[in-house]
Amino acid sequence: GAVVSQHPSWVICKSGTSVKIECRSLDFQATTMFWYRQFPKQSLMLMATSNEGSKATYEQGVEKDKFLINHASLTLSTLTVTSAHPEDSSFYICSARLRGERELSDTQYFGPGTRLTVL
Amino acid sequence: AQSVTQLGSHVSVSEGALVLLRCNYSSSVPPYLFWYVQYPNQGLQLLLKYTSAATLVKGINGFEAEFKKSETSFHLTKPSAHMSDAAEYFCAVTPRAGTALIFGKGTTLSVSS
Repeated sequence: GAVVSQHPSWVICKSGTSVKIECRSLDFQATTMFWYRQFPKQSLMLMATSNEGSKATYEQGVEKDKFLINHASLTLSTLTVTSAHPEDSSFYICSARLRGERELSDTQYFGPGTRLTVL
Repeated sequence: AQSVTQLGSHVSVSEGALVLLRCNYSSSVPPYLFWYVQYPNQGLQLLLKYTSAATLVKGINGFEAEFKKSETSFHLTKPSAHMSDAAEYFCAVTPRAGTALIFGKGTTLSVSS
């Protein structure tokens, strides 16, 4: 149980185009999803927190107009990279919060990631 | 503010040897601590987590970690390394359950035969 999927797993696009990445919780409802970005050989950096039915909360330094996040349902959040540029090339990983019966049992489950390459 | 420091960006062990990956945290409140493993081009898999219950936490694949408040440490260990353990390991902290994680820079574990 507690599986999170991402689609696509990898994408190559031309500079200036937009790319949408989907994050789905397959067997549970996730009121909160997180989007992280990982550069090669580096750690994950939180980009934004996505709550179902409300606007995403972006971390400092992350352009909200460039990285559009939509969390329209309890099982789906999307990240759209608008007008992509080569410097946006990265590994994007989402996670979904599984609410436990007790707060202490809350756990994040991570998707497999999406590798974006912008030419 | 919370932070995580992983000592040693690269650890190499022989198959069958003890694995020790170090993690120190900084937190103004009792933290929740996690260890994740990442295989090449894949997402993160939860190895284990500390949520203020037992200080010695057992995880999957034979890994365990001990929370030591006095040392602000949460080191990951495995008695006997296996070739399949070769991967990137991340320590992470969060002040509240269910909130975004703050990750360390990661430690690459190599296992030689």
